[in-house]
Amino acid sequence: GAGVSQSPSNKVTEKGKDVELRCDPISGHTALYWYRQSLGQGLEFLIYFQGNSAPDKSGLPSDRFSAERTGGSVSTLTIQRTQQEDSAVYLCASRLAPGTSGNTIYFGEGSWLTVV
Amino acid sequence: DAKTTQPPSMDCAEGRAANLPCNHSTISGNEYVYWYRQIHSQGPQYIIHGLKNNETNEMASLIITEDRKSSTLILPHATLRDTAVYYCIVIAAGGTSYGKLTFGQGTILTVHP
Repeated sequence: GAGVSQSPSNKVTEKGKDVELRCDPISGHTALYWYRQSLGQGLEFLIYFQGNSAPDKSGLPSDRFSAERTGGSVSTLTIQRTQQEDSAVYLCASRLAPGTSGNTIYFGEGSWLTVV
Repeated sequence: DAKTTQPPSMDCAEGRAANLPCNHSTISGNEYVYWYRQIHSQGPQYIIHGLKNNETNEMASLIITEDRKSSTLILPHATLRDTAVYYCIVIAAGGTSYGKLTFGQGTILTVHP
């Protein structure tokens, strides 16, 4: 597709269950970001992947959160033992490789997670 | 990436120009100014970006001061659909600072009839 694709668009899960959120970045983009946005709040950085480099995980809120990026393309964000405070929209974004001047970040439409 | 400061909210009458300011006094020479907006329930949408010169596209104009410490996003004829949160961020073009991006709280622009 032409843009960043995320799935599922909406997910309702029971407290304590695990969830997986998927992101398909724009083809050829080597940088991939995950952000979280709680209702009425700003964007909270979670994790950043750049090519084959070790990801920047400094924004992950707890060890229940993990992410991987297979083959430098698709990424999966996993939340284990979900809690109600994990309810938020999870946004994925991608960007061209470093060194490309002024390149733009493109966001997906997000995955809305509700933990009940 | 440099920190930005924006007013928390602004109002604009429909059909008028909306001028959204952003301060980025610690911007570095290789950092671009980017503007995004987020309409409720949607992912952030790219609007415009610039380095030194003023820029214009079909959505907006970007005015960057000569010292690059501040900028203004101009929506020339605001419509009700322009009501959104507007984020100003500065992003390095590349190199070792190519990492996580920090978004502030943005400016909530409300366009009223």
